[in-house]
Amino acid sequence: GAGVSQSPRYKVAKRGQDVALRCDPISGHVSLFWYQQALGQGPEFLTYFQNEAQLDKSGLPSDRFFAERPEGSVSTLKIQRTQQEDSAVYLCASSLGVGVGAEAFFGQGTRLTVV
Amino acid sequence: SQELEQSPQSLIVQEGKNLTINCTSSKTLYGLYWYKQKYGEGLIFLMMLQKGGEEKSHEKITAKLDEKKQQSSLHITASQPSHAGIYLCGAAPSGNQFYFGTGTSLTVIP
Repeated sequence: GAGVSQSPRYKVAKRGQDVALRCDPISGHVSLFWYQQALGQGPEFLTYFQNEAQLDKSGLPSDRFFAERPEGSVSTLKIQRTQQEDSAVYLCASSLGVGVGAEAFFGQGTRLTVV
Repeated sequence: SQELEQSPQSLIVQEGKNLTINCTSSKTLYGLYWYKQKYGEGLIFLMMLQKGGEEKSHEKITAKLDEKKQQSSLHITASQPSHAGIYLCGAAPSGNQFYFGTGTSLTVIP
């Protein structure tokens, strides 16, 4: 596709439910980032992939959060046993080069609401 | 970790007025990025500044990076309703992380 695509756009989960959020980066982009954006806040870094390798996962808030990018393209962010504090917009970005810069393109995000 | 603080947090201006948004870093910036975000949408890249004293413009938006490279300002001339949104500054990574500022919400009243 022409841009970064995220699905679903909206997700409502019951507390304790597991969710999976998908990111389709721009074809050929090496770098992929996940961010969590709470209401009224700036995006907070979660994790970074260079191709299929997860090089930085220091931003994942707990071991309930897990991300993968097995073939170096599509990425999935999984949240187990969701809690209300997990409610946020989850943004994915991809970049042709290494790291984030002028080349970074963001998806529209997945808005997760945990009830 | 890099911390970026933006001011003001929110801004309401009349259409046609000029405005400035500031981004201050706790550390020297080796690259400063400005993004715009509309509600419910992803981030749109505006511009990147790397050199101290650098200034860039795009249409009616001008951004500067000060000589000491710890502060950037985004200036909008003759604001329009289309300028409304959240403006975020971001810092180039040391390592793999990319930090965003706290954000400035801009409302332009027609």
